[in-house]
Amino acid sequence: QKEVEQNSGPLSVPEGAIASLNCTYSDRGSQSFFWYRQYSGKSPELIMSIYSNGDKEDGRFTAQLNKASQYVSLLIRDSQPSDSATYLCAVNSKNTGNQFYFGTGTSLTVIP
Amino acid sequence: EPEVTQTPSHQVTQMGQEVILRCVPISNHLYFYWYRQILGQKVEFLVSFYNNEISEKSEIFDDQFSVERPDGSNFTLKIRSTKLEDSAMYFCASSEDPRVYTEAFFGQGTRLTVV
Repeated sequence: QKEVEQNSGPLSVPEGAIASLNCTYSDRGSQSFFWYRQYSGKSPELIMSIYSNGDKEDGRFTAQLNKASQYVSLLIRDSQPSDSATYLCAVNSKNTGNQFYFGTGTSLTVIP
Repeated sequence: EPEVTQTPSHQVTQMGQEVILRCVPISNHLYFYWYRQILGQKVEFLVSFYNNEISEKSEIFDDQFSVERPDGSNFTLKIRSTKLEDSAMYFCASSEDPRVYTEAFFGQGTRLTVV
């Protein structure tokens, strides 16, 4: 069983602060890593993908990957109330037929 | 912007009845998935589909489930005899090409309620 672990939270940050979300995975063969945002009752929305070690920035979002530590994180700068959602970490490996394994998600609340 | 579309958005069915959930993947995508999410739980993989056949399926995807691509654009999930525990959000997703690093995009989901 491929495990993807996330702190379920809830994580609360004030508006304008940096939110830091973390994820660990068990399968060393994992090759692709994704962050999805899910609002209550809605579908997962892809916000970041990362495939190699290091940082990847897209607007207010930065994904960080450390394959040696089997760790991937998401930083949200200048957090806004509209960022309040559950953030899902997903991991994909060609060894598993391209299915995506999801963590349980971290609930983020940005306080105005 | 291209998107995955699913119908219906909400389906209520009686236990033991058959349901068909429909999806139209993004047009140039080759790989299709069904996932489900029971209320308050994680997103769970059901099945992946590539080149007109099942690529992989999970333990959840037992004999009561089937998938089909009937006409080159639609992708369906059939549940033959629904159970109460099948109540969940069902998400269809698609990705461009499984042979390279790729992202999966999700439809808005079908909320299935079995009564």
